[in-house]
Amino acid sequence: QVQLVQSGAEVKKSGSSVSVSCKASGDIFRNSGIIWVRQAPGQGLEWMGGFIPMFGTREYAQKFQDRVKITADRSTSTAYMELSSLRPDDTAVYYCARVGSIAPDNWGQGTLVTVSS
Amino acid sequence: DIQMTQSPSSLSASVGDRVTITCQASQDIRTYLNWYQQKPGEAPKLLIYDAFHLETGVPSRFSGSGSGTDFTFTISSLQPEDIATYYCLQYNHLVGTFGPGTMVDLK
Repeated sequence: QVQLVQSGAEVKKSGSSVSVSCKASGDIFRNSGIIWVRQAPGQGLEWMGGFIPMFGTREYAQKFQDRVKITADRSTSTAYMELSSLRPDDTAVYYCARVGSIAPDNWGQGTLVTVSS
Repeated sequence: DIQMTQSPSSLSASVGDRVTITCQASQDIRTYLNWYQQKPGEAPKLLIYDAFHLETGVPSRFSGSGSGTDFTFTISSLQPEDIATYYCLQYNHLVGTFGPGTMVDLK
């Protein structure tokens, strides 16, 4: 089973950017993509977007269209999610997950991003 | 954008009870509907994919049904370890929307 290990917690100032990484235990990008989801404290899950490297296909949720960038480095089996123009309400746990032929199945452990004003 | 509604938002049930959660899509999503379980401090766990397929290793007391706009998730006999929040997710080709979640606890 593929394991996804995310980078550590981040504390950021409003207006800055954050990059969260998601390293896979194997060459998942040969036949899979990555999606990103976030969860604000005490709230539900929110879809951000995804990327399938072998097709070069990206989709971003409209809410994040102007501020998010999802990339991947196939040589290191690592995906990245960069969120810019951070606001305090971007404080959340950010998750990556693998997508193959079905729904997102393998998930990272989550990365807490805290944004202060 | 496709919107998802889920009900109830929370429920209390006893061990052994049958638990049912419903999810409704704002437009026809065929069977592109999945169910997740999330426990506090943990990542979501896929239970049901494509409306009714049980993910490998998931106990058979979990099941799903439906197509189009109306979907149902059932726990046939609630166990203590099933206490969690459950989310539906409509997903197709990198585009997804979660339902707001259903918190299940013990009566």
